[in-house]
Amino acid sequence: EVQLVESGGGLVQPGRSLRLSCAASGFTFDDYAMHWVRQAPGKGLEWVSGISWNSDSTGYADSVKGRFTISRDNAKNSLYLQMNSLRADDTALYYCAKAQYSSYRRGAFDIWGQGTMVSVSS
Amino acid sequence: DIQMTQSPSSLSASVGDRVTITCQASQDIRNYLNWYQQKPGKAPKLLIYDASNLETGVPSTFSGSGSGTDFTFTISSLQPEDIATYYCQQYDNLPLTFGGGTKVDFK
Repeated sequence: EVQLVESGGGLVQPGRSLRLSCAASGFTFDDYAMHWVRQAPGKGLEWVSGISWNSDSTGYADSVKGRFTISRDNAKNSLYLQMNSLRADDTALYYCAKAQYSSYRRGAFDIWGQGTMVSVSS
Repeated sequence: DIQMTQSPSSLSASVGDRVTITCQASQDIRNYLNWYQQKPGKAPKLLIYDASNLETGVPSTFSGSGSGTDFTFTISSLQPEDIATYYCQQYDNLPLTFGGGTKVDFK
């Protein structure tokens, strides 16, 4: 069964850091690009970041550029999101999503995890 | 950034109704447009990719069309399990962007 399982969310104070993880199974992880997409409570979907199959290329939303870093470990079938300098408006459910292709610039998000909640508050 | 404008933002329909949602891009995105369904408390699910291609396993009651800046998503006969919020998403340019969503419920 194709599956993505996120972890690492929680309550954190503004300015602090958090690292999200996503464990993939049921498909050849290193054939595909991966993404993080977030959804603030009661709001729509926002793309956060994407990474190519071999980590050569990454992209970020302007709202997180310079604060968040996406990475992957193909040997561990895992995707990560290092989030620094967290702000209240980063509060959201963070989804890990598989890309259709090896490039994160192309195609759709065809498999989604169930998400991990990040709350930024003092 | 490419802005994706969905309309309506919400709609009410009856079982068996034909439902149509539109998505307009702020610039030409060719056919680089995807549609997702999100049920309450669940993760989004891919329904349509590249404007008109049905994802494997998705019922044929769902369809999509369009290219350039104007796109349409249709449910040919609304079923109870189709109650959800639907989002369009472009991948012609970074950042990847979504429409604001259309919430579909029963009249």
